[in-house]
Amino acid sequence: EVQVLESGGGLAQPGGSLRLSCVASGLEFSSYAMSWVRQAPGKGPEWVSAITGDGGDTFSADSVKGRFTIFRDNSKKTLYLQMNSLRAEDTAVYYCAKGSAASRPYFFDSWGQGALVTVSS
Amino acid sequence: EIVLTQSPGTLSLSPGERATLSCRASQSVRNSYLAWYQQKPGQAPRLLIYGASTRATGIPDRFSGAGSGTDFILTISRLEPEDFAVYYCQSYADSRTFGPGTKVEIK
Repeated sequence: EVQVLESGGGLAQPGGSLRLSCVASGLEFSSYAMSWVRQAPGKGPEWVSAITGDGGDTFSADSVKGRFTIFRDNSKKTLYLQMNSLRAEDTAVYYCAKGSAASRPYFFDSWGQGALVTVSS
Repeated sequence: EIVLTQSPGTLSLSPGERATLSCRASQSVRNSYLAWYQQKPGQAPRLLIYGASTRATGIPDRFSGAGSGTDFILTISRLEPEDFAVYYCQSYADSRTFGPGTKVEIK
């Protein structure tokens, strides 16, 4: 059974930084693209960033481009999201989502339980 | 970028009734790369349907998807108590856009 588990959420001040981690199990990790998807309170999901299975290509939504960096360590089956210059509007539950393939097109067939990130002074 | 519109915003139905949810795209979704997810309060989204009509592993056959181009439908043939939730469509062709969701609530 595929499982993904996020960690690293918490409270950050505006302009601050946080790093999220996501450990995967039950799969050949490098064979699948991975993404971060966030959901602000009372809102629908918003895709944030994605990375191909081999880590060679990354993609980010305009709302986080230049501030957030997605990367992975396939030897540790771990996905990361480095979040810098945080803003209040980044407050959300951040989900780690497994893609159905190594590169696009893919849908999200496994999700973690989510990590809450709160940006507030 | 494709914009997805879902209707209705809220669907009030009783257990045993049929639910029909609509997802409309602002431009044609290439190769019907359209997925549906179910989300219950406090939980992560769960994949129901991909490729517009293929059920994901373990999804009951009361859930069905149809459509192509710009118009897609998710049907729940007979609502079970556990089906009351929010449903999102997502285009995964050239973007990763999610729709705003349809809440299926108990009437």
